[in-house]
Amino acid sequence: AQSVTQLDSHVSVSEGTPVLLRCNYSSSYSPSLFWYVQHPNKGLQLLLKYTSAATLVKGINGFEAEFKKSETSFHLTKPSAHMSDAAEYFCVVSRPSNTGNQFYFGTGTSLTVIP
Amino acid sequence: KAGVTQTPRYLIKTRGQQVTLSCSPISGHRSVSWYQQTPGQGLQFLFEYFSETQRNKGNFPGRFSGRQFSNSRSEMNVSTLELGDSALYLCASSPGTSGRNYNEQFFGPGTRLTVL
Repeated sequence: AQSVTQLDSHVSVSEGTPVLLRCNYSSSYSPSLFWYVQHPNKGLQLLLKYTSAATLVKGINGFEAEFKKSETSFHLTKPSAHMSDAAEYFCVVSRPSNTGNQFYFGTGTSLTVIP
Repeated sequence: KAGVTQTPRYLIKTRGQQVTLSCSPISGHRSVSWYQQTPGQGLQFLFEYFSETQRNKGNFPGRFSGRQFSNSRSEMNVSTLELGDSALYLCASSPGTSGRNYNEQFFGPGTRLTVL
């Protein structure tokens, strides 16, 4: 079975400090993993994705995530938070099936950036 | 390439009415998925269409239906609207082919439905 757990529903950081959003997954075999960001009243935008190449994945806007199979984790990080990073973040796992790719969404982490 | 477009962006309806939302996927994408997003329930999968056929379905009542046209554009319909149907409805397109290289979803901006 596949599932995604985002360990924090809310994270607050000060502007200029590091960001860590945690995601654990369970998958019966090697999954594809994604992080999406959603700003208020907007659709979801892809930040980065892991599809079995390099375990450290770099995304847009300075975000990166590391796939750790032994820990079944795919945490999202950024060295220095910017005010514009305040948004909802979703971790997603995908696996292929005979009816196309199946997507499993985490419940989201709301990131607040304090000036 | 143009992104995923959804129309209308905002809708206000009253209980008992029906509504139709439209989604145009990225050119070349054959899969369109629909999601409902509410503050209480989060992001919930409604259904996916691929080559004009419903391929996957979430756990929603029959009042929620959809279809896909030969050009991959999709519509979803909600009949007999209830207050709880107020939500942001998101559409996502992807190539639709199973496998790692084809599994990224691209989301539209959503349609905000308010039921009064």
